[in-house]
Amino acid sequence: KAGVTQTPRYLIKTRGQQVTLSCSPISGHRSVSWYQQTPGQGLQFLFEYFSETQRNKGNFPGRFSGRQFSNSRSEMNVSTLELGDSALYLCASSLGWSSGETQYFGPGTRLLVL
Amino acid sequence: DQQVKQNSPSLSVQEGRISILNCDYTNSMFDYFLWYKKYPAEGPTFLISISSIKDKNEDGRFTVFLNKSAKHLSLHIVPSQPGDSAVYFCAASARGSGGSNYKLTFGKGTLLTVNP
Repeated sequence: KAGVTQTPRYLIKTRGQQVTLSCSPISGHRSVSWYQQTPGQGLQFLFEYFSETQRNKGNFPGRFSGRQFSNSRSEMNVSTLELGDSALYLCASSLGWSSGETQYFGPGTRLLVL
Repeated sequence: DQQVKQNSPSLSVQEGRISILNCDYTNSMFDYFLWYKKYPAEGPTFLISISSIKDKNEDGRFTVFLNKSAKHLSLHIVPSQPGDSAVYFCAASARGSGGSNYKLTFGKGTLLTVNP
C-alpha cells in the first residue's frame, strides 16, 4: 500500500506571497492532520480533517487554513507569508474512525520564505 | 506550556548496547503514547505505541514502558544498531477528552547516535 504523499517537496517563496501544499493520504484513511516542524518549536499541530470537516485546530493564526476533498486528499494554504513560516510541513493520515489512532506521516514539504 | 518533554536533546551509545530514551508528560488526560523515528529531510516513521491501560509493549528490539503515576515513558532499543541513529520523538494524545482527540502532542525529540 502506498504511503502518504506530499507535493511539492520543496518550495521557495517571498514574504507576502501565499502557498498551497497538497497531501494524499494512505488509501482507506479518511483523517488527515497537518503539522509544522521548526527547529525552535518542534512539531506543532495545525489542524485535522475527517470527511471534509475540520475536527480540531491548533494555535496558529488565521493565515493558515486547510481543506479536505471527498477523496480524502487535503490541501493546506498559508497566506501573506512571513519569514517565520519557513518550516517543514508534515501531513499525517489515519483511519479516523476513533481517536488515538496511529498517524502515518508523509515526507513533508520544506518551505523557505525569503 | 510544553505538555510532552524530552529532556535529553541527544544520546550516544555503542553498537550492541541498550539505548534508553525518556519522555515525561504533564497532561493527565493523555492516554495513548507513541514513539516516532525521524531521519533528516524525511517524515517521522511510526515505531511503537502504548495505551494507558498497559505498562509495557514490545515489538522486536523496541520496548516502551509507561509509568502513569510518574507520568513518564521510556523507549528501550536492544541491541542498538548504527541504523538506529536518528531523532526520536515521543508523542501523546488524549482519546477521551473531546475536541483534542485527533491531534498528537510531540516532545522536541532526542538525537540518538549509535557508534559502531
